[in-house]
Amino acid sequence: DTGVSQDPRHKITKRGQNVTFRCDPISEHNRLYWYRQTLGQGPEFLTYFQNEAQLEKSRLLSDRFSAERPKGSFSTLEIQRTEQGDSAMYLCASSSQLGTQYFGPGTRLLVL
Amino acid sequence: QQQVKQSPQSLIVQKGGISIINCAYENTAFDYFPWYQQFPGKGPALLIAIRPDVSEKKEGRFTISFNKSAKQFSLHIMDSQPGDSATYFCAAGRGSGGYQKVTFGIGTKLQVIP
Repeated sequence: DTGVSQDPRHKITKRGQNVTFRCDPISEHNRLYWYRQTLGQGPEFLTYFQNEAQLEKSRLLSDRFSAERPKGSFSTLEIQRTEQGDSAMYLCASSSQLGTQYFGPGTRLLVL
Repeated sequence: QQQVKQSPQSLIVQKGGISIINCAYENTAFDYFPWYQQFPGKGPALLIAIRPDVSEKKEGRFTISFNKSAKQFSLHIMDSQPGDSATYFCAAGRGSGGYQKVTFGIGTKLQVIP
């Protein structure tokens, strides 16, 4: 399978704990996006990387959220001191210079 | 502020019928209008997309109609099948050089009944 992969697929954590998600984009794609999707809503843009550079961040990305793409390949999204309102599906997408975004299966986070 | 408004939120169509989902946008800077299909537990998958210099695009049973002056676009699914039952998202994007910041609609849950 050469699509976008995300790990883990599901995560249950207690309020206040830190969590980290990983995204592996399609290998030749140098652009990577993170989105958050809550129940009954469309995905909301969080942040964008071109190679290893984080070029845009949404206001939704509070200071408890940090994303990295250290070598321009895989990316991680960390949430510190999780809150119940962080419960959502976290989606990763990647694209080539042609721009079409291909999404991974997502990581579903539940904060108790 | 909802930049992309989508309706209806749910839709039930008989097998073989036409499913129609409508979207409207505010920001005239948008220059890319994709539609995504999402099955439960999966990420969204690109279905079809259109640029504003074209009024209609057809791929198989799926057609996008685009009205630039009204800032509206719609998805038509012809000969709807039970396998089309999914949530459909319209979206609008803007960007350049391969970067597209995409804003999604709220989604339409389509159910095609036999």
